[in-house]
Amino acid sequence: EPEVTQTPSHQVTQMGQEVILRCVPISNHLYFYWYRQILGQKVEFLVSFYNNEISEKSEIFDDQFSVERPDGSNFTLKIRSTKLEDSAMYFCASTAGLTPNTEAFFGQGTRLTVV
Amino acid sequence: AQSVTQLGSHVSVSEGALVLLRCNYSSSVPPYLFWYVQYPNQGLQLLLKYTTGATLVKGINGFEAEFKKSETSFHLTKPSAHMSDAAEYFCAVNPYNQGGKLIFGQGTELSVKP
Repeated sequence: EPEVTQTPSHQVTQMGQEVILRCVPISNHLYFYWYRQILGQKVEFLVSFYNNEISEKSEIFDDQFSVERPDGSNFTLKIRSTKLEDSAMYFCASTAGLTPNTEAFFGQGTRLTVV
Repeated sequence: AQSVTQLGSHVSVSEGALVLLRCNYSSSVPPYLFWYVQYPNQGLQLLLKYTTGATLVKGINGFEAEFKKSETSFHLTKPSAHMSDAAEYFCAVNPYNQGGKLIFGQGTELSVKP
């Protein structure tokens, strides 16, 4: 069964360092998303990506964040200079079309810990 | 702005008992509604969704949910809990005509006691 794969499963980084979270969406999917969940809080939408550009982003997704689909298979989230408050579980998702007509498939998440 | 509220961050039931997980949304236009489940160390998996049509929707693993517009609710139920149902459950909405993003509730952790 096709699945969304995220690496690494857990990343620890020092404050101020850059991190790149990686995702391999399902191969024939066209829409890609990043969400995050701070411990004890809601899963929050960060950004959606389609046709090699951002289609929507939330207020959280400031200049510290960027996304890229560098090689047609990976979909990455970069945090330029991490802050303590960036510590969260980050989920990648992909869909073949726009919700609600198609199911969003989620990866297992990357737990980012900023120390 | 759209929001989703799940009443109860932790729900505990006995095996065989009814499962009821509550979800309310705020929206002037009924959104599309979803329930996702997350088992430990796994991604979010779609349980069921409501888009249009019949307001009682059935999902995987014996779960169902009913869309009640008058109550702005989409509660998730299962008649008889199984130990394997222990997981975190998320209610989510896709705001009408706002692309593919999902807005999630805070999640409800379901424990099932033997």
